[in-house]
Amino acid sequence: EAGVAQSPRYKIIEKRQSVAFWCNPISGHATLYWYQQILGQGPKLLIQFQNNGVVDDSQLPKDRFSAERLKGVDSTLKIQPAKLEDSAVYLCASSQFGTSGAYEQYFGPGTRLTVT
Amino acid sequence: AQRVTQPEKLLSVFKGAPVELKCNYSYSGSPELFWYVQYSRQRLQLLLRHISRESIKGFTADLNKGETSFHLKKPFAQEEDSAMYYCALSAAGNMLTFGGGTRLMVKP
Repeated sequence: EAGVAQSPRYKIIEKRQSVAFWCNPISGHATLYWYQQILGQGPKLLIQFQNNGVVDDSQLPKDRFSAERLKGVDSTLKIQPAKLEDSAVYLCASSQFGTSGAYEQYFGPGTRLTVT
Repeated sequence: AQRVTQPEKLLSVFKGAPVELKCNYSYSGSPELFWYVQYSRQRLQLLLRHISRESIKGFTADLNKGETSFHLKKPFAQEEDSAMYYCALSAAGNMLTFGGGTRLMVKP
């Protein structure tokens, strides 16, 4: 099966500019996640979607970050305006949905953002 | 709130030596623990989960609730084991909290 797709793979912008990332999850996966991974750290969950609804966005800096999954499939993550500290790899992951136990998350290749 | 700690940023061993990557967690509920691995130029992927209690690529990990640990072990390291290893904890809703990661280098 095709894996999680992300684009672009790399992006360089200046601070105060805006940027958007796209993610296409594995077909049939109802749950989609966006993570931020700063160099030298583990991934940090930004937002989790269940179909087109938000399950958790408690760690999303909502003054500048936004995300949507309008049709319950693809998702976009936007940063506006970007700050230097937003430089990181942005990972998208997807998983099946169930009520018993935690499901394996499948990760995309990530988008490496550099803010100058 | 949950927290995962991997005390070693880098672990370097020789081929054939035993390996133990440490992971400690704090969580008030009943945790589900995972090890994810990222090989060079590859995606982050699941290595194993405590609930399945299986050995993957020779690696095992036992959940010790008394010590709140989930250390990853392999008796004889191979060069192809060189990678970044992340311990992760799943709380309600399948949300993962990752540790900071340990880079394992297996020298020939």
